[in-house]
Amino acid sequence: NAGVMQNPRHLVRRRGQEARLRCSPMKGHSHVYWYRQLPEEGLKFMVYLQKENIIDESGMPKERFSAEFPKEGPSILRIQQVVRGDSAAYFCASSPNPMTGANEKLFFGSGTQLSVL
Amino acid sequence: GESVGLHLPTLSVQEGDNSIINCAYSNSASDYFIWYKQESGKGPQFIIDIRSNMDKRQGQRVTVLLNKTVKHLSLQIAATQPGDSAVYFCAELIYNQGGKLIFGQGTELSVKP
Repeated sequence: NAGVMQNPRHLVRRRGQEARLRCSPMKGHSHVYWYRQLPEEGLKFMVYLQKENIIDESGMPKERFSAEFPKEGPSILRIQQVVRGDSAAYFCASSPNPMTGANEKLFFGSGTQLSVL
Repeated sequence: GESVGLHLPTLSVQEGDNSIINCAYSNSASDYFIWYKQESGKGPQFIIDIRSNMDKRQGQRVTVLLNKTVKHLSLQIAATQPGDSAVYFCAELIYNQGGKLIFGQGTELSVKP
Protein backbone atom coordinates (compact mmCIF):
# COMPACT_ATOMS: atom_id res chain seq x y z
CA ASN A 1 0.00 0.00 0.00
CA ALA A 2 3.03 2.29 0.00
CA GLY A 3 2.14 3.14 -3.58
CA VAL A 4 -0.95 5.19 -2.71
CA MET A 5 0.31 8.64 -1.79
CA GLN A 6 -1.71 11.07 0.26
CA ASN A 7 -0.74 14.58 1.22
CA PRO A 8 -0.56 16.33 3.43
CA ARG A 9 -0.24 13.83 6.29
CA HIS A 10 -1.53 16.40 8.73
CA LEU A 11 -3.67 19.41 7.94
CA VAL A 12 -4.78 22.05 10.42
CA ARG A 13 -7.55 24.45 9.49
CA ARG A 14 -9.61 27.02 11.35
CA ARG A 15 -13.37 26.92 11.19
CA GLY A 16 -14.62 28.37 7.93
CA GLN A 17 -11.48 27.66 5.94
CA GLU A 18 -11.16 25.23 3.06
CA ALA A 19 -9.35 21.91 3.21
CA ARG A 20 -7.90 20.17 0.16
CA LEU A 21 -6.74 16.60 0.50
CA ARG A 22 -4.77 14.98 -2.30
CA CYS A 23 -4.45 11.36 -3.33
CA SER A 24 -2.22 9.87 -6.00
CA PRO A 25 -3.29 6.28 -6.67
CA MET A 26 -0.92 3.44 -7.35
CA LYS A 27 0.54 3.36 -10.83
CA GLY A 28 -1.93 1.85 -13.25
CA HIS A 29 -4.91 2.27 -10.92
CA SER A 30 -7.80 4.29 -12.26
CA HIS A 31 -10.31 3.66 -9.47
CA VAL A 32 -10.16 5.77 -6.32
CA TYR A 33 -12.18 5.55 -3.12
CA TRP A 34 -12.28 8.01 -0.24
CA TYR A 35 -13.08 6.97 3.32
CA ARG A 36 -13.41 8.93 6.55
CA GLN A 37 -12.45 7.58 9.96
CA LEU A 38 -13.39 9.12 13.28
CA PRO A 39 -11.43 8.15 16.42
CA GLU A 40 -12.12 4.58 17.52
CA GLU A 41 -14.49 3.99 14.63
CA GLY A 42 -14.40 2.09 11.39
CA LEU A 43 -13.88 3.58 7.97
CA LYS A 44 -16.96 5.15 6.42
CA PHE A 45 -17.27 5.15 2.64
CA MET A 46 -17.56 8.60 1.11
CA VAL A 47 -17.08 8.50 -2.65
CA TYR A 48 -15.87 6.32 -5.53
CA LEU A 49 -14.34 7.91 -8.59
CA GLN A 50 -12.85 6.83 -11.86
CA LYS A 51 -10.87 9.14 -14.08
CA GLU A 52 -13.04 12.24 -14.68
CA ASN A 53 -16.15 10.53 -13.33
CA ILE A 54 -17.91 10.24 -9.98
CA ILE A 55 -19.34 6.73 -9.83
CA ASP A 56 -20.83 6.64 -6.34
CA GLU A 57 -21.05 9.57 -3.94
CA SER A 58 -23.65 8.08 -1.63
CA GLY A 59 -21.42 8.60 1.43
CA MET A 60 -20.64 12.25 0.79
CA PRO A 61 -22.34 14.92 2.91
CA LYS A 62 -24.74 16.93 0.76
CA GLU A 63 -23.05 20.23 1.41
CA ARG A 64 -19.46 21.54 1.57
CA PHE A 65 -17.84 18.29 0.38
CA SER A 66 -16.76 17.57 -3.17
CA ALA A 67 -14.35 15.24 -4.91
CA GLU A 68 -12.72 15.02 -8.28
CA PHE A 69 -10.31 12.78 -10.13
CA PRO A 70 -9.10 14.64 -13.20
CA LYS A 71 -7.58 13.07 -16.27
CA GLU A 72 -4.18 14.32 -15.15
CA GLY A 73 -3.08 14.69 -11.57
CA PRO A 74 -4.23 13.42 -8.19
CA SER A 75 -7.72 12.95 -6.84
CA ILE A 76 -8.81 15.84 -4.64
CA LEU A 77 -11.24 15.77 -1.73
CA ARG A 78 -12.33 19.30 -0.99
CA ILE A 79 -14.09 20.45 2.15
CA GLN A 80 -15.36 24.01 2.16
CA GLN A 81 -16.09 26.06 5.29
CA VAL A 82 -14.77 23.37 7.60
CA VAL A 83 -16.35 22.80 11.00
CA ARG A 84 -14.96 20.99 14.04
CA GLY A 85 -17.00 17.92 13.21
CA ASP A 86 -14.96 17.49 10.04
CA SER A 87 -11.90 16.61 12.12
CA ALA A 88 -11.04 13.05 11.19
CA ALA A 89 -8.60 10.88 9.30
CA TYR A 90 -9.35 10.75 5.59
CA PHE A 91 -8.10 7.73 3.69
CA CYS A 92 -7.80 7.23 0.00
CA ALA A 93 -7.64 3.81 -1.62
CA SER A 94 -7.11 2.70 -5.18
CA SER A 95 -7.66 -0.41 -7.24
CA PRO A 96 -6.80 -1.38 -10.81
CA ASN A 97 -10.36 -2.58 -11.45
CA PRO A 98 -13.81 -1.85 -10.07
CA MET A 99 -14.52 -3.58 -6.77
CA THR A 100 -17.13 -5.78 -8.35
CA GLY A 101 -15.53 -9.16 -8.02
CA ALA A 102 -13.68 -11.33 -5.60
CA ASN A 103 -9.93 -10.98 -5.52
CA GLU A 104 -10.19 -7.27 -6.05
CA LYS A 105 -8.26 -5.49 -3.33
CA LEU A 106 -8.14 -1.93 -2.23
CA PHE A 107 -4.74 -0.48 -1.50
CA PHE A 108 -4.87 2.28 1.08
CA GLY A 109 -2.74 5.33 1.59
CA SER A 110 -1.53 6.48 5.01
CA GLY A 111 -4.27 9.04 5.30
CA THR A 112 -4.58 12.74 6.01
CA GLN A 113 -5.38 13.74 9.57
CA LEU A 114 -7.53 16.86 9.43
CA SER A 115 -7.79 18.95 12.57
CA VAL A 116 -10.22 21.86 12.66
CA LEU A 117 -9.57 24.44 15.36
CA GLY B 1 -22.69 -3.20 10.76
CA GLU B 2 -21.85 0.48 10.93
CA SER B 3 -20.09 1.93 13.93
CA VAL B 4 -22.15 4.20 16.14
CA GLY B 5 -19.29 5.78 18.02
CA LEU B 6 -18.75 3.14 20.70
CA HIS B 7 -15.31 2.37 22.06
CA LEU B 8 -13.51 -0.28 20.08
CA PRO B 9 -13.81 -3.82 21.43
CA THR B 10 -10.44 -4.94 22.70
CA LEU B 11 -8.71 -8.28 22.84
CA SER B 12 -5.61 -8.86 24.92
CA VAL B 13 -3.54 -12.01 24.40
CA GLN B 14 -0.21 -13.37 25.51
CA GLU B 15 2.57 -13.61 22.95
CA GLY B 16 2.53 -17.06 21.39
CA ASP B 17 -1.16 -17.68 22.05
CA ASN B 18 -3.75 -17.89 19.30
CA SER B 19 -6.10 -14.95 18.74
CA ILE B 20 -9.66 -15.04 17.49
CA ILE B 21 -11.28 -11.82 16.32
CA ASN B 22 -14.96 -11.86 15.50
CA CYS B 23 -17.13 -9.81 13.20
CA ALA B 24 -20.86 -9.81 12.58
CA TYR B 25 -22.03 -8.53 9.24
CA SER B 26 -25.47 -7.30 8.45
CA ASN B 27 -26.15 -7.95 4.78
CA SER B 28 -26.92 -11.49 3.72
CA ALA B 29 -26.27 -10.43 0.10
CA SER B 30 -22.61 -9.72 0.78
CA ASP B 31 -20.44 -11.56 -1.71
CA TYR B 32 -16.92 -11.10 -0.53
CA PHE B 33 -15.19 -10.34 2.76
CA ILE B 34 -11.79 -8.95 3.62
CA TRP B 35 -9.88 -8.58 6.85
CA TYR B 36 -7.70 -5.50 7.22
CA LYS B 37 -5.07 -4.63 9.82
CA GLN B 38 -4.55 -1.02 10.80
CA GLU B 39 -1.58 0.08 12.84
CA SER B 40 -1.56 3.42 14.59
CA GLY B 41 -1.15 6.31 12.17
CA LYS B 42 -1.32 4.10 9.10
CA GLY B 43 -3.85 3.07 6.51
CA PRO B 44 -5.53 -0.35 6.53
CA GLN B 45 -3.45 -3.21 5.21
CA PHE B 46 -4.94 -6.26 3.50
CA ILE B 47 -4.60 -9.51 5.46
CA ILE B 48 -6.85 -12.15 3.92
CA ASP B 49 -10.09 -12.45 1.99
CA ILE B 50 -12.84 -14.99 1.45
CA ARG B 51 -15.68 -15.35 -1.03
CA SER B 52 -19.22 -16.07 0.07
CA ASN B 53 -19.16 -19.56 -1.49
CA MET B 54 -16.39 -20.62 0.89
CA ASP B 55 -16.46 -21.22 4.64
CA LYS B 56 -12.73 -21.27 5.39
CA ARG B 57 -9.54 -19.92 3.94
CA GLN B 58 -6.01 -20.12 5.28
CA GLY B 59 -3.03 -17.87 4.86
CA GLN B 60 0.29 -17.60 6.58
CA ARG B 61 -0.54 -17.78 10.32
CA VAL B 62 -4.06 -16.51 9.63
CA THR B 63 -7.33 -18.28 8.97
CA VAL B 64 -10.68 -16.73 8.12
CA LEU B 65 -13.92 -18.56 8.85
CA LEU B 66 -17.27 -17.59 7.38
CA ASN B 67 -20.62 -18.69 8.78
CA LYS B 68 -23.32 -17.40 6.48
CA THR B 69 -26.11 -18.91 8.54
CA VAL B 70 -25.49 -16.51 11.40
CA LYS B 71 -23.68 -13.86 9.31
CA HIS B 72 -20.48 -14.21 11.26
CA LEU B 73 -16.86 -13.87 10.22
CA SER B 74 -13.79 -14.61 12.29
CA LEU B 75 -10.06 -14.12 11.94
CA GLN B 76 -7.74 -16.52 13.69
CA ILE B 77 -4.11 -15.58 14.20
CA ALA B 78 -1.79 -18.39 15.21
CA ALA B 79 1.16 -17.82 17.54
CA THR B 80 0.36 -14.15 18.01
CA GLN B 81 3.36 -11.84 18.00
CA PRO B 82 3.85 -8.29 19.33
CA GLY B 83 3.88 -7.05 15.73
CA ASP B 84 0.29 -8.25 15.40
CA SER B 85 -0.88 -5.53 17.80
CA ALA B 86 -3.23 -3.33 15.78
CA VAL B 87 -6.88 -2.69 15.06
CA TYR B 88 -8.49 -5.32 12.85
CA PHE B 89 -11.45 -4.56 10.60
CA CYS B 90 -13.66 -6.84 8.62
CA ALA B 91 -15.12 -5.42 5.44
CA GLU B 92 -17.92 -6.71 3.23
CA LEU B 93 -18.39 -6.14 -0.46
CA ILE B 94 -21.71 -6.21 -2.20
CA TYR B 95 -21.20 -6.57 -5.93
CA ASN B 96 -24.50 -5.13 -7.02
CA GLN B 97 -24.23 -1.97 -4.96
CA GLY B 98 -21.43 -0.30 -6.81
CA GLY B 99 -18.75 -2.55 -5.49
CA LYS B 100 -17.77 -0.53 -2.44
CA LEU B 101 -16.38 -2.04 0.74
CA ILE B 102 -18.35 -1.52 3.93
CA PHE B 103 -16.23 -1.68 7.07
CA GLY B 104 -17.19 -3.01 10.49
CA GLN B 105 -16.34 -1.31 13.76
CA GLY B 106 -12.99 -2.96 14.38
CA THR B 107 -11.30 -4.80 17.24
CA GLU B 108 -8.13 -3.64 18.94
CA LEU B 109 -5.68 -6.49 19.51
CA SER B 110 -3.05 -6.04 22.18
CA VAL B 111 -0.26 -8.62 22.49
CA LYS B 112 1.51 -8.88 25.82
CA PRO B 113 5.16 -10.03 25.69
